[in-house]
Amino acid sequence: NAGVTQTPKFQVLKTGQSMTLQCAQDMNHNSMYWYRQDPGMGLRLIYYSASEGTTDKGEVPNGYNVSRLNKREFSLRLESAAPSQTSVYFCASRKTGLETQYFGPGTRLLVL
Amino acid sequence: GQQLNQSPQSMFIQEGEDVSMNCTSSSIFNTWLWYKQDPGEGPVLLIALYKAGELTSNGRLTAQFGITRKDSFLNISASIPSDVGIYFCAGQKGGSEKLVFGKGTKLTVNP
Repeated sequence: NAGVTQTPKFQVLKTGQSMTLQCAQDMNHNSMYWYRQDPGMGLRLIYYSASEGTTDKGEVPNGYNVSRLNKREFSLRLESAAPSQTSVYFCASRKTGLETQYFGPGTRLLVL
Repeated sequence: GQQLNQSPQSMFIQEGEDVSMNCTSSSIFNTWLWYKQDPGEGPVLLIALYKAGELTSNGRLTAQFGITRKDSFLNISASIPSDVGIYFCAGQKGGSEKLVFGKGTKLTVNP
């Protein structure tokens, strides 16, 4: 039982490049989340998915798209990366009816 | 968006000292969670609180759900070097899919 896994662990992009961050969970959770973490800002919600086939915007969705591919997988796409998107990105999942979110190890992204 | 005010922002303490941190909000939450993030890792749940006034312990950690439902406290007793990290509070309103996070308290423990 790996919990929440994220790939890649590190990525360097040039401004304007695109990439997809992958997240998968093996806990059969219905809800999945994408956060970004910046120094002094805590964790800010980008997008979330309450169930397979649904996605909703969080606090900072601009510049991102998501896909809930199936119950296990929730990907985050940057279509045209900007330096302001340099951050650490965390995926999390949650079982319906419980409040606790379980986090992945993070993806560290640097946009030059 | 909603904000949780977490304080202090950082703490520098000596090994063996006790630590206290808290989170406050202008609105009511039904659940309070406390997470710890080790350097280079994702946050890990420490304690979950579900009822106003609830006091819950996890080893040397004790957390309380405030009576007003607008605040929560985390205490760490007899700190050790592995307590180093960032501690986050998070609140959830009833029926919401989302957690609201505080900005974190960075703890440094000097041996």
